[in-house]
This record gives sequence, structure tokens and C-alpha cells, in this order.
Amino acid sequence: GAGVSQSPRYKVAKRGQDVALRCDPISGHVSLFWYQQALGQGPEFLTYFQNEAQLDKSGLPSDRFFAERPEGSVSTLKIQRTQQEDSAVYLCASSLDESGKAFFGQGTRLTVV
Amino acid sequence: SQQGEEDPQALSIQEGENATMNCSYKTSINNLQWYRQNSGRGLVHLILIRSNEREKHSGRLRVTLDTSKKSSSLLITASRAADTASYFCATDADSSYKLIFGSGTRLLVRP
Repeated sequence: GAGVSQSPRYKVAKRGQDVALRCDPISGHVSLFWYQQALGQGPEFLTYFQNEAQLDKSGLPSDRFFAERPEGSVSTLKIQRTQQEDSAVYLCASSLDESGKAFFGQGTRLTVV
Repeated sequence: SQQGEEDPQALSIQEGENATMNCSYKTSINNLQWYRQNSGRGLVHLILIRSNEREKHSGRLRVTLDTSKKSSSLLITASRAADTASYFCATDADSSYKLIFGSGTRLLVRP
């Protein structure tokens, strides 16, 4: 497809369960970002990849959060031992370069029960 | 932490009217962007304005930037019901790649 694709669109996890969220960026986009958006708030930065290199993970809330982009295209955000406070929409974005216009996916809505 | 603050938090107008949303930020920036988000969807990029620009137009959108006041405004002219969405400003204050978003303005355009 032409846009950023995220899967699943919705995920319900029991507290303590591990989850993996997938992002397919636009082909050829070097930069990939993950953001977390709580209900009624703006997105907050989690992490940034340039190709396969994770250059900034300063926004990851805890060591339970882990992101990877092993071949410089598809990325996975993994959350271990989910907690209720992890409930949010997780948005992935990609861009041609680090300061270019970012294209966002539809997001994955994670609900931890 | 969020850099930008949008004002108002919510805005309800009649179709055909103009909608103005404001954004204030705290530190110096290279550029400022506006995004739209429909309920339950991802963000759509609307317009980017650089720190050396004062005004930019795109269709029915007009964005202004006042770096001395650290503020920006988004004007949507002749609004339509389809413009109903949340609107966010985002700045690159921390780095060239990290976008810092405000909390958004929820716009309702009544048919």
C-alpha cells in the first residue's frame, strides 16, 4: 500500500501479557518513529530509527518497552508484562529523512485489562 | 512532556464559518507543523511552516507563525462538516526529528 500500515488495529491484553505491535512504513522511508497517545492528549515521542539503527529511545517509558527494525523497513514495538497504564494508541510514522514530513499510520489501540 | 499548547481546547462552529486555532510553544524551533486527526484515526499532515516564514497558505488553510511570541495560528476558512477533527501543532524543539505535540483543539463543524 501507499501509506504506513499498522497491525493489529486493536489489541486487548490481560495485565502481565506481552504484546507486539507491527509497523510497515512507506517503502524507501529512512526514518521511522513510534509515538504513544493517551486518550484526549497529543502523541508523545517514544523512539526513532534511521534505517535499522535505533538512534533515540529516550521516550520509552520503561525497560518493558522494546522496539526493533532489524532490516531497516518493518518495525515492531514490544511491550512486556503489560500494565493498565500502557493502555493507549500507539502510532507509527515514517519519513524520507529525519526532518521531513512525517506520515502516520492509523495506530494500534491497546487496552490492558 | 508537551511543548505546545493549543487554544481553545474545543471549538464548535457552524458550517461556512471560519475556525481559528492557536498554538503556543516554549523553546526556539526550526519549524512548526499542524496535523489533523479524525476520531480513531492516525494523524494527517496539513502544513509545515519554517521559523523564517511568517505565513503560509494551503487551500482553505492559513498558518501564521510569530517566533517572537512563540505562537502559531491555524485558520480554516469556509469550514465544512468534514473538517470536524482534532487539530495538533507539533514543533521540533528538542531535535530535528522528534516532534513535540500539543494537546490539541477539538473542532466540531455543525452542518
